Amino acid sequence: EPEVTQTPSHQVTQMGQEVILRCVPISNHLYFYWYRQILGQKVEFLVSFYNNEISEKSEIFDDQFSVERPDGSNFTLKIRSTKLEDSAMYFCASSGRTGPSGANVLTFGAGSRLTVL
Amino acid sequence: DQQVKQNSPSLSVQEGRISILNCDYTNSMFDYFLWYKKYPAEGPTFLISISSIKDKNEDGRFTVFLNKSAKHLSLHIVPSQPGDSAVYFCAASGVYGQNFVFGPGTRLSVLP
Repeated sequence: EPEVTQTPSHQVTQMGQEVILRCVPISNHLYFYWYRQILGQKVEFLVSFYNNEISEKSEIFDDQFSVERPDGSNFTLKIRSTKLEDSAMYFCASSGRTGPSGANVLTFGAGSRLTVL
Repeated sequence: DQQVKQNSPSLSVQEGRISILNCDYTNSMFDYFLWYKKYPAEGPTFLISISSIKDKNEDGRFTVFLNKSAKHLSLHIVPSQPGDSAVYFCAASGVYGQNFVFGPGTRLSVLP
């Protein structure tokens, strides 16, 4: 069964350092997402991406965050200067389509745990 | 501003009995709802969905009910199995499903 893969599974970094989290979405999917879950809290939407541009982003997704699809397979989340409060599990997701038929289902990766010291 | 609420942080059920997980939402523009299950150290896994044109959708042991007037949906699992023990998230989106809003989750424990 096709799956979304994320690397690294766990990254530890010093505050102020740049971090890049990588994702390989399902190959024929067109919509890509990043969500995060701070320990003990709910899963929060960060950003959605379609047709090589951000389609929607949340208040969390400030100037420190950026996303990129550098080639036909990878989808990356960059945090320019990490803060302690960025420590969380980051989930990448992809979807095949969207529309009023309600057939949009997000397939999530296993997550990348980011620990900022 | 919690647009999607799951007011029970945890639920314990005996194996073989029915599990009922509840979800309430505030945004009347939500049109499409999903339930995800999450095990520790894994990503959420899609379980079942329902669009606003329906009031019930069934898939094996899982049934989702939607009450649009009450802005309430529920997930029924019957019979419950120990492997169902996980955190269950309700998620909602608008017509074009670009941004899914997740509830805080309910931890289900199915006791043998």
